[in-house]
Amino acid sequence: GQQLNQSPQSMFIQEGEDVSMNCTSSSIFNTWLWYKQDPGEGPVLLIALYKAGELTSNGRLTAQFGITRKDSFLNISASIPSDVGIYFCAGAISNFGNEKLTFGTGTRLTIIP
Amino acid sequence: DGGITQSPKYLFRKEGQNVTLSCEQNLNHDAMYWYRQDPGQGLRLIYYSQIVNDFQKGDIAEGYSVSREKKESFPLTVTSAQKNPTAFYLCASSTVGGNEAFFGQGTRLTVV
Repeated sequence: GQQLNQSPQSMFIQEGEDVSMNCTSSSIFNTWLWYKQDPGEGPVLLIALYKAGELTSNGRLTAQFGITRKDSFLNISASIPSDVGIYFCAGAISNFGNEKLTFGTGTRLTIIP
Repeated sequence: DGGITQSPKYLFRKEGQNVTLSCEQNLNHDAMYWYRQDPGQGLRLIYYSQIVNDFQKGDIAEGYSVSREKKESFPLTVTSAQKNPTAFYLCASSTVGGNEAFFGQGTRLTVV
């Protein structure tokens, strides 16, 4: 299957810091999604992007759909302890619906005291 | 409340036995999916179904089987042919006309 490269693999930050992570693909996607997963739980959808160049915010989270359609970025501002978890990007080739998703390998975010 | 329910949360299986994982949704979603998650890896698609009585293989379907007899239900059977079945299994469903998948809480399967 297709591969999504997500970086960094892990991040260790202090509370209050801003966070940036990205996801790149070797092929074009027309849908980009960002999920957060807590330990032992299912991923929860954070942001959905459907248009190249689109910039969408959800509280302290901001995600962008890369103009080349081969990448996406997620930023978290002023991190707090509940931001800890694994963040996954996911892409779909079409935006017609019910499309299977390809997931990245995840970025593990840890907040150090 | 609407959502996706997976059961059981934890499952132990002896080698050579088949086991079925349950996934039920009351979101009226057409599409349902099964993913497998291993430590340090992303989610890999096992099977998906876009409509009742129809399903397609994902990237790692070998050793698994599914059925979609009802819109609300998409059970996954892990057969004895699956050589490395210990993993975290996630079920998801998605909206008509959208690609946002919503996940259940997962089933952790351990072969003992």
